[in-house]
Order: sequence, then C-alpha cells, then structure tokens
Amino acid sequence: DVKVTQSSRYLVKRTGEKVFLECVQDMDHENMFWYRQDPGLGLRLIYFSYDVKMKEKGDIPEGYSVSREKKERFSLILESASTNQTSMYLCASTDPGSHHEQYFGPGTRLTVT
Amino acid sequence: AQTVTQSQPEMSVQEAETVTLSCTYDTSESDYYLFWYKQPPSRQMILVIRQEAYKQQNATENRFSVNFQKAAKSFSLKISDSQLGDAAMYFCAYKVGSGNTGKLIFGQGTTLQVKP
Repeated sequence: DVKVTQSSRYLVKRTGEKVFLECVQDMDHENMFWYRQDPGLGLRLIYFSYDVKMKEKGDIPEGYSVSREKKERFSLILESASTNQTSMYLCASTDPGSHHEQYFGPGTRLTVT
Repeated sequence: AQTVTQSQPEMSVQEAETVTLSCTYDTSESDYYLFWYKQPPSRQMILVIRQEAYKQQNATENRFSVNFQKAAKSFSLKISDSQLGDAAMYFCAYKVGSGNTGKLIFGQGTTLQVKP
C-alpha cells in the first residue's frame, strides 16, 4: 500500500527558531513536493525535487529551503520561523509511471508564536 | 501562466442527492491532465478522478463523474447519490506542461457539506 508519512501532525514553534519538517515515501517515487495550504488559497507549491539532491523553487519559496539526500526523504526547512509561516504543510510524491497522481502525507499543522 | 479557479468556496447537498462542483482553468497548452482531489476532515488528500485532455470521453469513477468542456476550459465534478462520507474539501488541479516532474496547480478548494 502506498504511503507518505510526515514527522509530525502538529508542531508549535517560536519566532526565529529553525524548523525541520520531514517527509518519507515508500514508493520509490522520483518526484517529491512541499505545499502549504491556507484557507481560500488552496495548495501552493513551495519546493519540489525530481531526483536526489535536485530541487526547484515553486511559487512561494521565500523563507524556506529543502534537502533531499536520499530518494525516499524530502525535508522542508524554515531557517528562521515567522508568524506568517503558520500554516498546514503537505508533502506529496509522484512518479511518471503513476499517471501523475500525487500521493499525499497527512499534513503538519505548524503554529509559529 | 496557468491558473485554476474554483468559484464555490462552500456547497451543501442532501444525502442521496446529486451535486456539481465547478472548476475552470486557463492554459495555452493542448495536452494536459486535470484532477479532482478530496481532502476529508482527517486531512489525507486522495485522488478522486483524473481526466486526460486528449480524451473526449468524460472520466467516471463509480458515483463520481466529470463534465470536461475543453473549449470552455471547464472541468466540473458531479457526485451522484451523495453520502455522508463525501463531506470534505475538494480541490481541482491541473498538471503543468508535458514533462515528468508532475507539478500540479491547485484551485482554492470547495468545502462540501452533506446533510443527512
């Protein structure tokens, strides 16, 4: 069964802290994505990776960075968390062979105080 | 730039009735994919239905079907015989370009309430 897991369901951090959000997929997918979900805005792409150590900026990369050292793991890093980064973060993965269906993790609700 | 618009922030339907969720998109490409995703209150997003633009036949998955109007750039989702478990947020999405990165552009979402 296809599975994408995220390290935390809920996270509370203070302004200025460095925050790591981890995502792991067990499907050997090449492509992985980080989105943030905000009411009325849908899902917006932060970063994606199409191979190990390869990454591309999405639509809203400012304030974020990513790391993909292994194929199954894609990390989102908030270098210095700010209150406007309070949001739901969703990780997803896909593969050309899956007809572009994206498989999503359960999400991490991040609150920055 | 491609855009996806869902103009209905909220919809409601009576159990066993039919409801249609609207989606429009803007693109200059001729070949692309369109998707409807469902996000139940537990938050795990799942694929409901997929449509390939070169296929004229509307996709169907059990009680879920789409009305794909390519010229009008419209892609609506019809849910027949609505069930309580259909209550969720629904997102329309468009796959960018012909490459294999799988990048999607999502609409704003429509929250569907199903009344018993």
